[in-house]
Amino acid sequence: NAGVTQTPKFRVLKTGQSMTLLCAQDMNHEYMYWYRQDPGMGLRLIHYSVGEGTTAKGEVPDGYNVSRLKKQNFLLGLESAAPSQTSVYFCASSYSPETMRFRPLAGNSTDTQYFGPGTRLTVL
Amino acid sequence: KQEVTQIPAALSVPEGENLVLNCSFTDSAIYNLQWFRQDPGKGLTSLLLIQSSQREQTSGRLNASLDKSSGRSTLYIAASQPGDSATYLCAVRLSGGTSYGKLTFGQGTILTVHP
Repeated sequence: NAGVTQTPKFRVLKTGQSMTLLCAQDMNHEYMYWYRQDPGMGLRLIHYSVGEGTTAKGEVPDGYNVSRLKKQNFLLGLESAAPSQTSVYFCASSYSPETMRFRPLAGNSTDTQYFGPGTRLTVL
Repeated sequence: KQEVTQIPAALSVPEGENLVLNCSFTDSAIYNLQWFRQDPGKGLTSLLLIQSSQREQTSGRLNASLDKSSGRSTLYIAASQPGDSATYLCAVRLSGGTSYGKLTFGQGTILTVHP
């Protein structure tokens, strides 16, 4: 199992350019999340998805769009990048409560979010 | 709105010391609380997860406690080692069907253990 993977690992954009960050997971998780991490701010939720074809806004969604066309992939798009979007972006995934009801003996490990290695984005 | 605060922001200790990291949260209606470790330039690794009905969890030299009514959790690291140097993040998941597993993170504690 590769777990959660993210591409690219690094990217430098100029203001106004667009790009898409790809997240993929091979654990058959229903829920997927995009966070950004800034110094002194912890991780903040941008958007999330509770299943294929569904997306919802998190705490800081402005300037980002997402899509979940396949269960294993969650894409984060920046249509017109701004310097304020310079950050490290993390993707995560987890099981839904409905799935975990069928895994009562799996312990706490099934109730956690699994994180990708991150994408470091700089917008000039 | 749930807010999570971690104290101290940074901690530097000599090898072998026992240490405590603190996490507080404002909304006690939580589903669970997790402690993560983050190494520089890396993703997050889950260390311990405490369900709202539990008081503590242990893994090796790590022990995490939860006092939901007071909105506090502590991560205790025994006999610290240089390899424990990392950023430690606390995150809470609210209860309720519409939480969808979303986590609210603290700012983290940067731990340095020097030989």
